Amino acid sequence: GENVEQHPSTLSVQEGDSAVIKCTYSDSASNYFPWYKQELGKGPQLIIDIRSNVGEKKDQRIAVTLNKTAKHFSLHITETQPEDSAVYFCAANKGGFQKLVFGTGTRLLVSP
Amino acid sequence: NAGVTQTPKFRVLKTGQSMTLLCAQDMNHEYMYWYRQDPGMGLRLIHYSVGEGTTAKGEVPDGYNVSRLKKQNFLLGLESAAPSQTSVYFCASRKTGAVGISYNEQFFGPGTRLTVL
Repeated sequence: GENVEQHPSTLSVQEGDSAVIKCTYSDSASNYFPWYKQELGKGPQLIIDIRSNVGEKKDQRIAVTLNKTAKHFSLHITETQPEDSAVYFCAANKGGFQKLVFGTGTRLLVSP
Repeated sequence: NAGVTQTPKFRVLKTGQSMTLLCAQDMNHEYMYWYRQDPGMGLRLIHYSVGEGTTAKGEVPDGYNVSRLKKQNFLLGLESAAPSQTSVYFCASRKTGAVGISYNEQFFGPGTRLTVL
């Protein structure tokens, strides 16, 4: 079955720096890769996603890149702000779009 | 719209007790999911439902049962709670589209923190 590995588990950056979180997946049939942000005491919320027919997608300060050959995808946050501090989860679909398998999460801390 | 709501927010159980967690969504979504979140293990799927009256097992279904009697509600039951079920439980829902159209975003509730002593 699908296995998603996520690194690093924690990431500390200074405000204004860039942050990169990386994930690898095992199932070559996976074709949908979302990223969720979870703020303290809240449920995860989708921030960006990418399908396997696209290599990169951007939305303002966040971008996701996908390398299907290597089976890895990454989240890039530029010009980080303190409000970007949260736990970020990557995921890959399993069984069509019905189910997602999540990575173990990355706690991002942006210091002013 | 309230989105996805979960009841209760917190609960403490003793080993062997039973309880039901309630998830409700007002977005008319067909798909609903129950996850558990444990430190260092991300979100793991317990059970899910693709529509009213249907349920299916996820990655970690043992010790849990679910029911989807109404489209807007998805119940998660623990018949005999164990300390290993101490976790934060999240419910999510997702819309389905017409043929050729897929809506992939899962909308999560705020979570239920359960402690089993």
